[in-house]
Amino acid sequence: GENVEQHPSTLSVQEGDSAVIKCTYSDSASNYFPWYKQELGKGPQLIIDIRSNVGEKKDQRIAVTLNKTAKHFSLHITETQPEDSAVYFCAAMANQAGTALIFGKGTTLSVSS
Amino acid sequence: GAVVSQHPSRVICKSGTSVKIECRSLDFQATTMFWYRQFPKQSLMLMATSNEGSKATYEQGVEKDKFLINHASLTLSTLTVTSAHPEDSSFYICSARALGQVNTEAFFGQGTRLTVV
Repeated sequence: GENVEQHPSTLSVQEGDSAVIKCTYSDSASNYFPWYKQELGKGPQLIIDIRSNVGEKKDQRIAVTLNKTAKHFSLHITETQPEDSAVYFCAAMANQAGTALIFGKGTTLSVSS
Repeated sequence: GAVVSQHPSRVICKSGTSVKIECRSLDFQATTMFWYRQFPKQSLMLMATSNEGSKATYEQGVEKDKFLINHASLTLSTLTVTSAHPEDSSFYICSARALGQVNTEAFFGQGTRLTVV
């Protein structure tokens, strides 16, 4: 089955700096890669996703890159703000009916002002 | 975006009792819903895949007799934790994908914090 590795587990940055979180996956059949933000006591919220037919996607301060050959994808947050502080999870999923998302272990991002 | 409602958000129960958690897709139909468990400061671990009208598929190590899943309609799946013990205390989260959609966003409920005393 799929295995998703995520690094780093914790990341501290100054407000305005960029933050990068990296994930690798094992199943070459996976072709959908979302990123979730989770605040304390709440369910995960989708912030951006990418499919295997593209290498990069951007939404304002957030971007995701995908390298299918190397089986890794990354989240980039620019101009970080204190409200970006949260736990971020990457996930991967194969294009099959009934397939669940498999999550990385999460990255706790702290943005200090 | 689509909404998945999970109820209750918090529950405290005594050891040995059973607790039911509901997961509803409010504005779309979902043939498949997924149940995850999350321990403090850990990731979401898939427990089972809930299929409408058929038996759930459980991940290795998850006791199907302890975690009963019922997916009776295209908008509702329930997870019942039977004979709960303190070690079952955790954050339980459901997610759903719209009917007919395979490789698309999965929507998550807000989670249920279960505390067994």
